[in-house]
Amino acid sequence: AQTVTQSQPEMSVQEAETVTLSCTYDTSESDYYLFWYKQPPSRQMILVIRQEAYKQQNATENRFSVNFQKAAKSFSLKISDSQLGDAAMYFCAYKGGYNKLIFGAGTRLAVHP
Amino acid sequence: GAGVSQSPRYKVAKRGQDVALRCDPISGHVSLFWYQQALGQGPEFLTYFQNEAQLDKSGLPSDRFFAERPEGSVSTLKIQRTQKEDSAVYLCASSWGGANYGYTFGSGTRLTVV
Repeated sequence: AQTVTQSQPEMSVQEAETVTLSCTYDTSESDYYLFWYKQPPSRQMILVIRQEAYKQQNATENRFSVNFQKAAKSFSLKISDSQLGDAAMYFCAYKGGYNKLIFGAGTRLAVHP
Repeated sequence: GAGVSQSPRYKVAKRGQDVALRCDPISGHVSLFWYQQALGQGPEFLTYFQNEAQLDKSGLPSDRFFAERPEGSVSTLKIQRTQKEDSAVYLCASSWGGANYGYTFGSGTRLTVV
């Protein structure tokens, strides 16, 4: 069975600084997708960035980028120029051959002015 | 609609009561998913519909949980004889097809069983 592990329950960053959130996963599948979701107190999960496993190039969305290491099964999220609005829970998620997403336990990110 | 709508936003039930949680997906989205998120945890898959067909219900924790989507649009998650361990946020998500592009989530229903 696939698993997703986020080893950092909490992280903090100063406004305008850069922070990296870690995620590792375990799978025997070769074709899959990886996602980072943001969950603010409103509870709605918001897609931040996605990565197809067959693509070697790391995905980038404005201030958000990933470091995808397929052999190491690692998928970290880098947030540059952190803003107060980035404060939230961040979840790493995996999707393989089935349609369901498998989530990690989350990392709570605090942003300090 | 513009987004995935869930109601009620909060629900308090006495232990043993039945509850029904509603999800109104984005119009045209054929896939609909239910997730359960316990406090401080990541969401856990409950069930998946493609149109009106329930293709995967492997995550439903017991036979007290039942989901339906009779016309391939609105879905209802029903929990019979609620127990304290059912207390959680129940999230609904929809997508136009598979989940390759991620889903659009609703804001969830927070269920508290007292």
